Amino acid sequence: DQQVKQNSPSLSVQEGRISILNCDYTNSMFDYFLWYKKYPAEGPTFLISISSIKDKNEDGRFTVFLNKSAKHLSLHIVPSQPGDSAVYFCAASALGNNAGNMLTFGGGTRLMVKP
Amino acid sequence: DTGVSQDPRHKITKRGQNVTFRCDPISEHNRLYWYRQTLGQGPEFLTYFQNEAQLEKSRLLSDRFSAERPKGSFSTLEIQRTEQGDSAMYLCASTAGNGYTFGSGTRLTVV
Repeated sequence: DQQVKQNSPSLSVQEGRISILNCDYTNSMFDYFLWYKKYPAEGPTFLISISSIKDKNEDGRFTVFLNKSAKHLSLHIVPSQPGDSAVYFCAASALGNNAGNMLTFGGGTRLMVKP
Repeated sequence: DTGVSQDPRHKITKRGQNVTFRCDPISEHNRLYWYRQTLGQGPEFLTYFQNEAQLEKSRLLSDRFSAERPKGSFSTLEIQRTEQGDSAMYLCASTAGNGYTFGSGTRLTVV
């Protein structure tokens, strides 16, 4: 049972336009959500996070939106740059669980930003 | 501090052999995690340590998998009697709070 799903395996966007990456989850115990970016041959790098008490968090070109009723979150990148081309993972955790902030990851979305 | 370091970066082994991977976390991070990532999937949690205590190991994939963190610093992940299905990227991460820092991983290929 996949508790975190990223239904789009890939996304292609023109440089300067907005990239929107989506993520759905099923576990209502999740209360903290993160986005990671991964380049080939490197480990995932933390990008931005959001607590379930918020519905939006912004950091520069990156904004994460959380819709708890729909169990859906999205990452907006604007403007998109060629260096943003990478695989993006959505992750979720239930703070205070016994597995010490264990993260449950989605399958990833490969973003390609074309110059 | 240079971040989370994993060794080796790549390991090719024959089926049935034992392998051991090492992770050196960021020095002030008391929590250390092991994840496995297979092709086309997101990282999958295996186990975690708080200092030297292994607080969650029920997600280890089989009894062929074991992990240690003897002095609360570096950690090792051992896979005994490797199988082709063990081929994957093994990621280590550490944290002192909510944000993880991942290492670059060890890519295991079982032939």
